[in-house]
Amino acid sequence: EIVLTQSPATLSLSPGERATLSCRASQSVSNHLAWYQQKFGQAPRLLIYDVSNRATGIPARFSGSGSGTGFTLTISSLEPGDFAVYYCQQGATFGQGTKVEIK
Amino acid sequence: QVQLVQSGAEVKKPGASVKVSCKASGYTFNNYGITWVRQAPGQGLEWMGWISTYDGNTDYAQKLQGRVTMTTDTSTTTAYMELRSLRSDDTAVYYCSRDPGPYFDSWGQGTLVTVSS
Repeated sequence: EIVLTQSPATLSLSPGERATLSCRASQSVSNHLAWYQQKFGQAPRLLIYDVSNRATGIPARFSGSGSGTGFTLTISSLEPGDFAVYYCQQGATFGQGTKVEIK
Repeated sequence: QVQLVQSGAEVKKPGASVKVSCKASGYTFNNYGITWVRQAPGQGLEWMGWISTYDGNTDYAQKLQGRVTMTTDTSTTTAYMELRSLRSDDTAVYYCSRDPGPYFDSWGQGTLVTVSS
């Protein structure tokens, strides 16, 4: 069973700063790696699928990259609505999440 | 637009069963699978299983095997998730999601299931 480990657990940043979130797989995975954003009290929202493809309506400040066992979600310039929890997912496995909070 | 609308919150006693519905609209129901995900209070996301809306094939999380059943009704474009022999650690928000494979591009609003004596 694949394990996805996200780091850091919490990222404290200010609006306008760049956020870099990591997702590491316990073994090499296919390119079907996705990222989701979840705000408090809301359902998750798909941001990125197949490593680097933005979902419909997702702004260009969100980008995904990586291959093999290491993947990254980058938010180029944080906006107030971006402070949330982010999860990576591959198949039936989710990472434990990274919380992006306001510094 | 794609919408998944779930049934309302439930409170159940330990040992009981719960059945959550997920009404889909805005797309061709049979063209996408449905995946169920749950989230315990303050915890992360847990994949529960998947059902093909085309032929009813299912794939369940090993830890839920024998307690969970996922079904669909294509005439009403509704998916269902039944969980039996409920325990306190089944207390969670349950989500349905549209699965174009292998990611989840639209989500229901969630259904809180509370298991308490």
